[in-house]
Amino acid sequence: EDQVTQSPEALRLQEGESSSLNCSYTVSGLRGLFWYRQDPGKGPEFLFTLYSAGEEKEKERLKATLTKKESFLHITAPKPEDSATYLCAVHTYSGGGADGLTFGKGTHLIIQP
Amino acid sequence: DTEVTQTPKHLVMGMTNKKSLKCEQHMGHRAMYWYKQKAKKPPELMFVYSYEKLSINESVPSRFSPECPNSSLLNLHLHALQPEDSALYLCASSPTGSEAFFGQGTRLTVV
Repeated sequence: EDQVTQSPEALRLQEGESSSLNCSYTVSGLRGLFWYRQDPGKGPEFLFTLYSAGEEKEKERLKATLTKKESFLHITAPKPEDSATYLCAVHTYSGGGADGLTFGKGTHLIIQP
Repeated sequence: DTEVTQTPKHLVMGMTNKKSLKCEQHMGHRAMYWYKQKAKKPPELMFVYSYEKLSINESVPSRFSPECPNSSLLNLHLHALQPEDSALYLCASSPTGSEAFFGQGTRLTVV
């Protein structure tokens, strides 16, 4: 069974204090790993897709990286508006049944001014 | 344009009611999905329509039934729901069957 584990569950940072969120995965065959941002009561907002180990993607203060067993979302000099829950999801070769994303439980990030 | 539109935004229904959730996308995506998200939990896949083929998560009860009238529309029909079905229902679409773009969700309360 595919497993996605995110850590930490919650993270509180001061504005400008850089850090990283972790997503470790155990899957039978990875087709893609995705990062989303979700604000309370809203749908997840797509951030990045990573397909192979060594791949990196950047967008503003966020940078996502991928190894064979985990992904990191690095946030550099965060601002209060970066506060949200960050979700990691994987798409795998399911071998039948409903073919969609499997999500981790998320990291709740709070950036204090 | 990566917009997926869901209506209504909020819905309150009784356990004997029949209601429908609607989802629309005009991006030409050929895969559309329904996910269910309970409070402080991650989204869980319910149904997939991909190239006109329906796939069902086996754990989803039969009181939920999807309908795909055309490649831009996806409905979720609700009947005889239970209070534990109260959740945020998310529709998503994908151009490749991999990365998914989500709508803002329908907040459903069953009373």
